[in-house]
This record gives sequence, C-alpha cells and structure tokens, in this order.
Amino acid sequence: QVQLVQSGAEVKKPGASVKVSCKASGYTFTSYGISWVRQAPGQGLEWMGWISAYNGNTNYAQKLQGRVTMTTDTSTSTAYMELRSLRSDDTAVYYCARGGNSGPLGFDPWGQGTLVTVSS
Amino acid sequence: QSVLTQPPSVSGAPGQRVTISCTGSSSNIGAGYDVHWYQQLPGTAPKLLIYGNSNRPSGVPDRFSGSKSGTSASLAITGLQAEDEADYYCQSYDSSLSARVFGGGTKLTVL
Repeated sequence: QVQLVQSGAEVKKPGASVKVSCKASGYTFTSYGISWVRQAPGQGLEWMGWISAYNGNTNYAQKLQGRVTMTTDTSTSTAYMELRSLRSDDTAVYYCARGGNSGPLGFDPWGQGTLVTVSS
Repeated sequence: QSVLTQPPSVSGAPGQRVTISCTGSSSNIGAGYDVHWYQQLPGTAPKLLIYGNSNRPSGVPDRFSGSKSGTSASLAITGLQAEDEADYYCQSYDSSLSARVFGGGTKLTVL
C-alpha cells in the first residue's frame, strides 16, 4: 500500500537546523510531488512548500523563503525538509504528504508526523 | 488569519446533517481552483476526505459530500456518527500567493 514514513522526533535549540525525512513506498516515487505541512500545538495546518520528485522543482511558502530547503533522493524514494535558524515558534508537528503544487488530487496519503521541539 | 475562512466549530446530534463552509476569494476558490477537504481525528495525521471539490477517495463513506459555488465550498456530513468528531480543513490553491492554502479548521462536536 502507498505509505509515507517519517523520521523521529527532534529537540533543537534556537538557531539550530533540523532535517526531517519522509520515505515513500508502494508507488513510483518520481510520478508525484511531496508537500510539507506543519501544525503548531493546538493550531491549524500550515502549508510549507512542495517539491517535484520528478525534476526537483520547488515552491516554498513566502514566510519560510530563505530558511527552508526541500530535497529528494530518488535512489531511496526519500524526501527531506531542512529548516534553519530555528525559533520557538517553529515548534510543531511536521507532516509530509504526497501531492502536487496545485491541481485536482489533494494530499494523500500523509506521513505520521514528526514533532520538532525548539527550546533552549 | 487564514486565506480560506471556516467556522471555528459546528455541532450536531447523532443522525443529523451538518455542513461546514469554506469561504475564499477571486484568487483561490473563485478563480476555479479545486477545493479539497481533510479530516483530522485527535492525535492523528490529516486524512483526505474529498478531493477535486466533490470526489470521495475509495473508503470514504458516502455520508460525506463536497460542493463548490463561486468563491465558497461546503462539506456536508449526513447521518452523523460519534466517530465523525474531528477537525476538518479545507484547502485550495491561491494564485496571488502561488501557494496551497488551508482554512483555519472547524471542530465538529457530535452531541
């Protein structure tokens, strides 16, 4: 079955970086994009950006431009999201999801989520 | 605040019908971009409920339906069940932001 499995929880200090992985299985990795979405404690969903697993094209949310980098490794069907210069308000559960930059299909499925805690 | 506006909460008794609205603008829903809906049960990842305005993925009960008109979309749930108690989010694409956007989410309480 189609599945996305994310790396484990992280605790980081302010100013550090975090890199979350998302391993895909059950489908042709390069046929779909991967989007990243985060959810701060008790808050709603925030789209962070998208990467094409076919050619590496990216589209990042304006507020994260310059701090976020999304990459893929097609040899292992894994997507990565790196966030730099972490602040306390970056504390959130980070999700990857299969889906395009736009279009009729939505995000499906989602990874299980990775909790990133930023604290001194 | 979110680009797409949803009511913070709705409620209904078991067996009843509820609707959740999602209001956008001419740069997202009104521009013709598709609306998708997600269900997030407590402590779990979101799950796709409706895609392309009104389509259900396989496995989603037909008690859930979506519609879109003008700059708004709606999710309807009929025959409410206790297991429907969750947060629901709408999503679309916004051309002025060049970004996917979510609604703020609606908490459904089954009385």
